[in-house]
Amino acid sequence: QSALTQPASVSGSPGQSITISCTGTSSDVGGYNYVSWYQQHPGKAPKLMIYDVSNRPSGVSNRFSGSKSGNTASLTISGLQAEDEADYYCSSYTSSSYVVFGGGTKLTVL
Amino acid sequence: EVQLVESGGGLVKPGGSLRLSCAASGFTFSSYSMNWVRQAPGKGLEWVSSISSSSSYIYYADSVKGRFTISRDNAKNSLYLQMNSLRAEDTAVYYCARVGTAMVWSGNDYWGQGTLVTVSS
Repeated sequence: QSALTQPASVSGSPGQSITISCTGTSSDVGGYNYVSWYQQHPGKAPKLMIYDVSNRPSGVSNRFSGSKSGNTASLTISGLQAEDEADYYCSSYTSSSYVVFGGGTKLTVL
Repeated sequence: EVQLVESGGGLVKPGGSLRLSCAASGFTFSSYSMNWVRQAPGKGLEWVSSISSSSSYIYYADSVKGRFTISRDNAKNSLYLQMNSLRAEDTAVYYCARVGTAMVWSGNDYWGQGTLVTVSS
């Protein structure tokens, strides 16, 4: 099972909005509503930001939102802040091998 | 406060075995599915295995199937990963993580700090 496709890097200035895409197939992202997004700072464990495509866990800022269109899921961060600089990973259930992660996206806040 | 604490990592030779443990506290462990997820040095996240709350359902990544065994002891609030026939490519930080909803494929809402497994001669 190939990893979901994410851009290697994205960047934005404080206060701006950015979107990270996560492209799969109809066997994973497009076929099921089990897409999650994780934030990981260097040397730290991942943190759940979005689950089941668009649900935000309690305690996660409402600046983070998730959506899906066809085989592509997206994570949008609005009002970008310096502490948002981190690696972001998407994951999805897949009918062929249960769970697949994206390759990760490094977000740089300029 | 939910806490997941992994242990058991270390240096092992190729072909060797290791057993990882994850001690859970701060929640009703027996009500949640659990996962092992690993991350090779400088690389991305890779799902390893999942186990349902009562151990009725167990799933493995193709890369570890037949070599790794996930298990849990709800009486001891503990999750385990028995790793046999270890290979260099199994070198990674191994995280245990809790599935946040009733569906085993939903997101992992709590993670441990990870334990490093190094497979090298």
